[in-house]
Amino acid sequence: ETGVTQTPRHLVMGMTNKKSLKCEQHLGHNAMYWYKQSAKKPLELMFVYSLEERVENNSVPSRFSPECPNSSHLFLHLHTLQPEDSALYLCASSQDRTTNEKLFFGSGTQLSVL
Amino acid sequence: GQQVMQIPQYQHVQEGEDFTTYCNSSTTLSNIQWYKQRPGGHPVFLIQLVKSGEVKKQKRLTFQFGEAKKNSSLHITATQTTDVGTYFCAGASWGSNYQLIWGAGTKLIIKP
Repeated sequence: ETGVTQTPRHLVMGMTNKKSLKCEQHLGHNAMYWYKQSAKKPLELMFVYSLEERVENNSVPSRFSPECPNSSHLFLHLHTLQPEDSALYLCASSQDRTTNEKLFFGSGTQLSVL
Repeated sequence: GQQVMQIPQYQHVQEGEDFTTYCNSSTTLSNIQWYKQRPGGHPVFLIQLVKSGEVKKQKRLTFQFGEAKKNSSLHITATQTTDVGTYFCAGASWGSNYQLIWGAGTKLIIKP
């Protein structure tokens, strides 16, 4: 148990569906992240929030829409995804948004887009 | 752009043999972190190295940071089945705007 909880663990969706991924951290951290993990590739940073303010958006397609209502919760809203978006989506948190801070990851959502 | 190359992609070892993974950065790093991801799991932080030439040990795991702070290695002595998983390095540089640059990982496989 890392203190970062993600739901759902698995998600299968069609290209026309709308779904949301949820992340909650119980660590009192100030920064939260969404990462995409595809096989044989480095982790791809998608979004960074620090104190509920989005500070990084690494050129992610608009079909991915993040939301951070407070410092403990993070959502990733999905719509009209493509099959190549199938991957493991990981949420992480850290004390602050600096590279000296270790990341605590949730268990991830394994997403399959049909 | 900044890259961290990690090799090998896979390493098959007999239980009891040693394992090593290497990371090389295209730029000088301010620090490097190592994570382990078990099959079906998520990355878990192992250690952070900050100083040039730093060596840290965790039981059978030895982590090194190069003198030029552009490379790092993780060595596992006498592997056990519990060591199975993928090991990732993640480096930070002053020009990376607070982003960690991840290696692609090395998967440790124990031969039956």
